[in-house]
Amino acid sequence: GNSVTQMEGPVTLSEEAFLTINCTYTATGYPSLFWYVQYPGEGLQLLLKATKADDKGSNKGFEATYRKETTSFHLEKGSVQVSDSAVYFCALSDRQTGANNLFFGTGTRLTVIP
Amino acid sequence: EAGVAQSPRYKIIEKRQSVAFWCNPISGHATLYWYQQILGQGPKLLIQFQNNGVVDDSQLPKDRFSAERLKGVDSTLKIQPAKLEDSAVYLCASSLDQGSASYEQYFGPGTRLTVT
Repeated sequence: GNSVTQMEGPVTLSEEAFLTINCTYTATGYPSLFWYVQYPGEGLQLLLKATKADDKGSNKGFEATYRKETTSFHLEKGSVQVSDSAVYFCALSDRQTGANNLFFGTGTRLTVIP
Repeated sequence: EAGVAQSPRYKIIEKRQSVAFWCNPISGHATLYWYQQILGQGPKLLIQFQNNGVVDDSQLPKDRFSAERLKGVDSTLKIQPAKLEDSAVYLCASSLDQGSASYEQYFGPGTRLTVT
């Protein structure tokens, strides 16, 4: 079946620190991979995505590379800001099933302190 | 462009009562999703519509949950009767087309349900 395992939080970093949030997946077909972010009081927003192996998704200084050999899609940012404090969700979509529903990890709460 | 709208934002009910949530997707989006997000977990799909037809409802507890999208636009999710374990945030999302590359899902703010 399809599942996503995500690094447990919470994660607390100082401003300008390097961020890594680990994500690994299990999929029956050829999934697309996503990172969604939920800022306090807001809905889920797509942060970045990758649709095939070796693709790199990037947005707002965040990056993640689709690694088929390690079934991973780790999120990284070189220098976090206080405004990056949020909950981050790794997710996959397996279009081979005929539907496009997303399978989410449990989320990682990031707090960045000045 | 207006986002996905949901109402109410919060709801508190007693167990065995019924409740309904409403979702208005982004204009022109053919696909609509309802997710349940229990505290400390990621969202889990309940049901997916393509226009007014159901694509996937395999995870919907059909003995108590129902959903409809009669005119292919707005959707309503109902729980009757509610149980304590239904306490969660109910998220609605929409996407342009499930079959094309433009399948990014846009999420509404959610409805937080507390069952006491």
